[in-house]
Amino acid sequence: DGGITQSPKYLFRKEGQNVTLSCEQNLNHDAMYWYRQDPGQGLRLIYYSQIVNDFQKGDIAEGYSVSREKKESFPLTVTSAQKNPTAFYLCASSDSPRGEKLFFGSGTQLSVL
Amino acid sequence: GENVEQHPSTLSVQEGDSAVIKCTYSDSASNYFPWYKQELGKRPQLIIDIRSNVGEKKDQRIAVTLNKTAKHFSLHITETQPEDSAVYFCAASRRKLQFGAGTQVVVTP
Repeated sequence: DGGITQSPKYLFRKEGQNVTLSCEQNLNHDAMYWYRQDPGQGLRLIYYSQIVNDFQKGDIAEGYSVSREKKESFPLTVTSAQKNPTAFYLCASSDSPRGEKLFFGSGTQLSVL
Repeated sequence: GENVEQHPSTLSVQEGDSAVIKCTYSDSASNYFPWYKQELGKRPQLIIDIRSNVGEKKDQRIAVTLNKTAKHFSLHITETQPEDSAVYFCAASRRKLQFGAGTQVVVTP
């Protein structure tokens, strides 16, 4: 798992709870991304960050929040406002601001209790 | 925004045969088209990509072709092997990637 690390591998959320997914990279990439993967729906972009202290909403940002305080780290918080959080979450990084040649983490499976 | 459609959703091939996956995109300004392979339980990995100024690119048993006029691009896998079994995703990008829904490829011995 060298390069980009996600934790935990599995996560369970209770009703009304916020949970945070970790993503750390040592590739010295400026750009980082969060994708949600549901069966049969491909990869959908939640948030992305092209530089430290800056991030933009992707296609499905509602109910999620992020921060980018360090180049290496891009944590994703799934808030209680996200009513259907069960999914596989993938973090990725790239040395291209347009998201070319993405390196993915191994993912976090989030389930609702 | 960009919309990418991918077909078929599942593809079963005999070992040694060829497999073809097709994608269409909506934004004529898209200029970068990667393909990712995701084996069961593993992370997606880039297997090949092509830019809009190139019509075809090959890497050993895989190739990608691009038709800008028709706005579609295809992945070709020749001499398929069991290790080619995976989900394959296409994507198109002008400023950020938009992924297709994926194709489950099963290679049977």
